[in-house]
Amino acid sequence: DSGVTQTPKHLITATGQRVTLRCSPRSGDLSVYWYQQSLDQGLQFLIHYYNGEERAKGNILERFSAQQFPDLHSELNLSSLELGDSALYFCASSTRPIGGEAFFGQGTRLTVV
Amino acid sequence: AQTVTQSQPEMSVQEAETVTLSCTYDTSESDYYLFWYKQPPSRQMILVIRQEAYKQQNATENRFSVNFQKAAKSFSLKISDSQLGDAAMYFCAYRRGYDYKLSFGAGTTVTVRA
Repeated sequence: DSGVTQTPKHLITATGQRVTLRCSPRSGDLSVYWYQQSLDQGLQFLIHYYNGEERAKGNILERFSAQQFPDLHSELNLSSLELGDSALYFCASSTRPIGGEAFFGQGTRLTVV
Repeated sequence: AQTVTQSQPEMSVQEAETVTLSCTYDTSESDYYLFWYKQPPSRQMILVIRQEAYKQQNATENRFSVNFQKAAKSFSLKISDSQLGDAAMYFCAYRRGYDYKLSFGAGTTVTVRA
């Protein structure tokens, strides 16, 4: 168990809908990262938050957004969902803003139908 | 941009034997880290081993060891005495020393035969 908790584990929704994925980092970790794993794109970095502030964006669509709350949990919001958004979404956390080991949650499997 | 290449989509190994997974990367940086992550069917991403670019000594974690060839930009993972529980997809990953994000290869699926 990495200590990173993601909910829900599975999510099935229809095209055009909006969903929220939740991540609780390891105790004491201030950095949260979101990654997307899909069959065609592989594992891709989406966004990074440190202590409530956005630090970096990767290949994140404009339909997607994220935030980190004062209690350090993070949410990834996916809207206007398309079939191609079906993927495994990982959250990872680390102690430092830059570098440090990244510990991954078990992921949320999103299926858009 | 950094790229990580894993040229072996699948590898099969007999239980108790050794298997080596290949990884090459492209970077112009001198300060970076390399990682191998394991993703079993449970889909959890588990860190197997890490290597700092400034360290010449190859990292070892129990039955897992790496062969880090900095000049060749090669970072292979050797799994010794393979066990059934080693069956998983293995990802090679790269991170710049001052960076936050990981860049992953496409992965290698390892099957262990009993």
